[in-house]
Amino acid sequence: DAMVIQNPRYQVTQFGKPVTLSCSQTLNHNVMYWYQQKSSQAPKLLFHYYDKDFNNEADTPDNFQSRRPNTSFCFLDIRSPGLGDAAMYLCATSRAGERTDTQYFGPGTRLTVL
Amino acid sequence: AQKVTQAQTEISVVEKEDVTLDCVYETRDTTYYLFWYKQPPSGELVFLIRRNSFDEQNEISGRYSWNFQKSTSSFNFTITASQVVDSAVYFCALSMTTDSWGKLQFGSGTQVVVTP
Repeated sequence: DAMVIQNPRYQVTQFGKPVTLSCSQTLNHNVMYWYQQKSSQAPKLLFHYYDKDFNNEADTPDNFQSRRPNTSFCFLDIRSPGLGDAAMYLCATSRAGERTDTQYFGPGTRLTVL
Repeated sequence: AQKVTQAQTEISVVEKEDVTLDCVYETRDTTYYLFWYKQPPSGELVFLIRRNSFDEQNEISGRYSWNFQKSTSSFNFTITASQVVDSAVYFCALSMTTDSWGKLQFGSGTQVVVTP
């Protein structure tokens, strides 16, 4: 029944060691989003894919990259994690086009940087 | 510019009490969507409701109800007869219908604590 799946749920990495978080969806939605959420804050949009088109938010650090090899999967790569990148990372999907649709979120991956 | 304000940082209630969460938004657009999401301690953002700016009808879903008032730019959320399982952070959000991909502007969230 899971619609937006994120793996792993918990990820521990070392300072500077690249890490990849994954997201998959069974909704066949054409838009996929990555958010970063730090403690006691609202989610912050990092980037989104509209079909195959990648759209970066202006204030997303270069350290964060994303890949979407097909409709169902999307990856978040953190090239050199710093202590400040420890956060919950949320993936979301929506069916967008002529009108705005609802974003559905996955369970998140909680990243710890040692 | 769009903005969503949730002035209440935390609300604590005893089980079975009603609790109302305030949401005030700012936008220059005439068409937009408003949302409420629930984030329990597990971390997942759970979609609760979406409201189109043209639809000012209030909505009730079980113990949840929403009051949309365009005149005051508010979209308040009430939990009736609260339960411990309602303990979570609740986010109000706004998106523009002109954004075909639906960028969400979140409020800062309101932590609801329900004690037995």
